[in-house]
Amino acid sequence: EVQLLESGGGLVQPGGSLRLSCATSGFTFNNFALTWVRQAPGKGLEWVSAITASGITTYDADSVKGRFTISRDKANKILHLQMDNLRADDTAIYYCAKAYRLGTYPRTLISWGQGTLVTVSS
Amino acid sequence: QSALTQPASVSGSPGQSITISCTGASSDVGRYEYVSWYQQHPGKAPQVIIYEVRNRPSGVSNRFSGSKSGNTASLTISGLQAEDEADYYCSSYTSSNTLLFGGGTKLTVL
Repeated sequence: EVQLLESGGGLVQPGGSLRLSCATSGFTFNNFALTWVRQAPGKGLEWVSAITASGITTYDADSVKGRFTISRDKANKILHLQMDNLRADDTAIYYCAKAYRLGTYPRTLISWGQGTLVTVSS
Repeated sequence: QSALTQPASVSGSPGQSITISCTGASSDVGRYEYVSWYQQHPGKAPQVIIYEVRNRPSGVSNRFSGSKSGNTASLTISGLQAEDEADYYCSSYTSSNTLLFGGGTKLTVL
């Protein structure tokens, strides 16, 4: 059974940093692209960042480009999201999700974690 | 890039059918067969119910179906049940190597 478990959320001041992690199990980590999706309180889903199976290529939404960095730890099967220069509008539940098909960009998100809440406030 | 356009809300009675539309552009919905639909119950993570326009993951009821015409994709739920009450989001892969979501549609089962 595929499992994704996010951690690292919390309260941070504007301009601060936070590192999210997503521990994975139940699938061959090196074969699937992964992504982060967020959801502001009471709002819709917003794609944030994606990383290919190899980890060589990453993609970011314009709203986080230059501030967030997605990465993957193959040895420990963990997905990370380094978030710097945080703003109030980054407040959201952050979900990690796994691609459906082998090796490709995550066009279909077949498995999701339960999310971790990030609150940016002074 | 703007979100895909979905109606904010739809409603239907048990047993009826409803359709939710998802309108994008020629650079996303119109260009690729990578439209997905996600169901989200309150306080829960989203769950894919349709992928690649019309395919259902195993375990998803065949009451859910998807289609696409031009720049607009659609999700149809037939034989509405109380448990179908949830938020529904479409998504599409884009020519910019991003994933674009719709604004979401709240389904109310009357």
